[in-house]
Amino acid sequence: AQSVAQPEDQVNVAEGNPLTVKCTYSVSGNPYLFWYVQYPNRGLQFLLKYITGDNLVKGSYGFEAEFNKSQTSFHLKKPSALVSDSALYFCAVRDMVNDMRFGAGTRLTVKP
Amino acid sequence: ETGVTQTPRHLVMGMTNKKSLKCEQHLGHNAMYWYKQSAKKPLELMFVYSLEERVENNSVPSRFSPECPNSSHLFLHLHTLQPEDSALYLCASSQARGQSNEQFFGPGTRLTVL
Repeated sequence: AQSVAQPEDQVNVAEGNPLTVKCTYSVSGNPYLFWYVQYPNRGLQFLLKYITGDNLVKGSYGFEAEFNKSQTSFHLKKPSALVSDSALYFCAVRDMVNDMRFGAGTRLTVKP
Repeated sequence: ETGVTQTPRHLVMGMTNKKSLKCEQHLGHNAMYWYKQSAKKPLELMFVYSLEERVENNSVPSRFSPECPNSSHLFLHLHTLQPEDSALYLCASSQARGQSNEQFFGPGTRLTVL
């Protein structure tokens, strides 16, 4: 069975500081990992994904994520946070058999 | 963000009503999904359609009935719902059902059951 955990319900950072939103996963076999963002009154928007290859994946809006197989993690990062990055972030995982499973989400607040 | 559209955006219904949610994707995708999003809970996958054939039904109560008349349209028919069914219902599509395909989401329908 596959599972995904986002250990922090809320992350607060100051504008201009680096941000990290954490995600850990459990799957059988190789994982396919995704990050999505949800702004108020909107659906989820795809940010980036890891399928294979380079462990550092770059995505939309300056976000990147690092796949760490030994720690079964796929943390989302950005070097310099913007107030407009404030939103709800979802990590998702799937394997060869099961459909995508989403984490419970992490609310990111970037303060001016 | 007009790739996947959903109507209505908001719906209030009584427990004895019958209503339908509509989703349309303009991306030429072959797979479509219904999700339920409740506060502080992970997204719950309800139904998956691939090439217009239902391939997944995650123990969803029969008061929810999906329909996929073609690869661009997806409906969720609602009948005798319960207050605990109040949630944001999200539709998504992907190129195919394969593992590497990201999903594209509509804005959702906010459903309130009285």
